[in-house]
Amino acid sequence: ELKVEQNPLFLSMQEGKNYTIYCNYSTTSDRLYWYRQDPGKSLESLFVLLSNGAVKQEGRLMASLDTKARLSTLHITAAVHDLSATYFCAVAPRGGADGLTFGKGTHLIIQP
Amino acid sequence: NAGVTQTPKFRVLKTGQSMTLLCAQDMNHEYMYWYRQDPGMGLRLIHYSVGEGTTAKGEVPDGYNVSRLKKQNFLLGLESAAPSQTSVYFCASRMHSGYEQYFGPGTRLTVT
Repeated sequence: ELKVEQNPLFLSMQEGKNYTIYCNYSTTSDRLYWYRQDPGKSLESLFVLLSNGAVKQEGRLMASLDTKARLSTLHITAAVHDLSATYFCAVAPRGGADGLTFGKGTHLIIQP
Repeated sequence: NAGVTQTPKFRVLKTGQSMTLLCAQDMNHEYMYWYRQDPGMGLRLIHYSVGEGTTAKGEVPDGYNVSRLKKQNFLLGLESAAPSQTSVYFCASRMHSGYEQYFGPGTRLTVT
């Protein structure tokens, strides 16, 4: 059974600081996703990571994937208030059409 | 393109009532998914479909039925609603040759 663990689950930080969210998963996978969710809204896709060593960046967010360690990180650089949201990682089983297994999410609050 | 749409957006049911949630996509995607999201949890897969006329169980299928009579529509049914089915329901779709899952806006269901 595929399990996905995120940590931390809650994070309060100040603007301008850097921080990293971690996502561990339990079995082999060939796709890892990061999503953002604002309160009462749907999921917004941030990154899809497909291979070992993959790194993607968009603005102040950078995601990486280590398939050997079964670990992905989402790094926030010089945080701003607009990045306050809940961030989810999700993993797809290797191959096929199976749906995603999600972590519980990291509720991020960035204070001025 | 409207993308993925869900009907209704909100619904309140009494225990034992039945209802159907509709998901529609106009992107000609082969794969469609139903997830539920509970407070403090990531999304959990209920059922999914890899094509017209086919469905499969996900992680939490009990109490739900699904049908995919047309490629663009994926229906989620609750035959006898229970308070434990109070949740936000998200539909998603993707191409069989792609990686990105496109999520609908969600349906907030309360069972009293």
